[in-house]
Amino acid sequence: AQKVTQVQTEISVVEKEDVTLDCVYETRDTTYYLFWYKQPPSGELVFLIRRNSFDEQNEISGRYSWNFQKSTSSFNFTITASQVVDSAVYFCALSEAGTGRRALTFGSGTRLQVQP
Amino acid sequence: DTAVSQTPKYLVTQMGNDKSIKCEQNLGHDTMYWYKQDSKKFLKIMFSYNNKELIINETVPNRFSPKSPDKAHLNLHINSLELGDSAVYFCASSYGLAGERDETQYFGPGTRLLVL
Repeated sequence: AQKVTQVQTEISVVEKEDVTLDCVYETRDTTYYLFWYKQPPSGELVFLIRRNSFDEQNEISGRYSWNFQKSTSSFNFTITASQVVDSAVYFCALSEAGTGRRALTFGSGTRLQVQP
Repeated sequence: DTAVSQTPKYLVTQMGNDKSIKCEQNLGHDTMYWYKQDSKKFLKIMFSYNNKELIINETVPNRFSPKSPDKAHLNLHINSLELGDSAVYFCASSYGLAGERDETQYFGPGTRLLVL
């Protein structure tokens, strides 16, 4: 069965610091998708990124970057020069394509607090 | 334009009552989901439908009954509400079993259910 682990329950940083959120996953499927979602204090779930298992290219989007490493089953998320608006709970998630089951398996989330 | 909408946003009710939550998406997706987020923020799949057909039913008590009148709508009816049903319920949608399309799941704003 698939599993997503986010060992960091809560991280607190000061504005402008860089911060990395860790995500480790387990799956027997050879084709799968990895996601990051942001849940700000207002409660909605905001999609940030989707990665296919066959595409290990890292990605940068503004201050956000993602490091996908199949060898260590990790999909880490880095925020550069953090801002107060980055304060939220961040979820890593996995879906397996091979089984036809498209439901997301979520990690337990990492609460990020960015202090001014 | 709202992509995935849910009503109501808040629901406060007494134990034993029956209530429904409605979800609609205008993204043209063929798969819809219900997730439950508990008080510890943990997100778990409950149901998924593909083109009105039930695909996933994750050991949810049979007091919960999803209904999909068409592929743009997925409602959740809950009978005999219990205190433990208090949670945030999220609807989501995606392209499901098509295989080649972007399978990102987009979430509604959530329905905060409080059972007294």
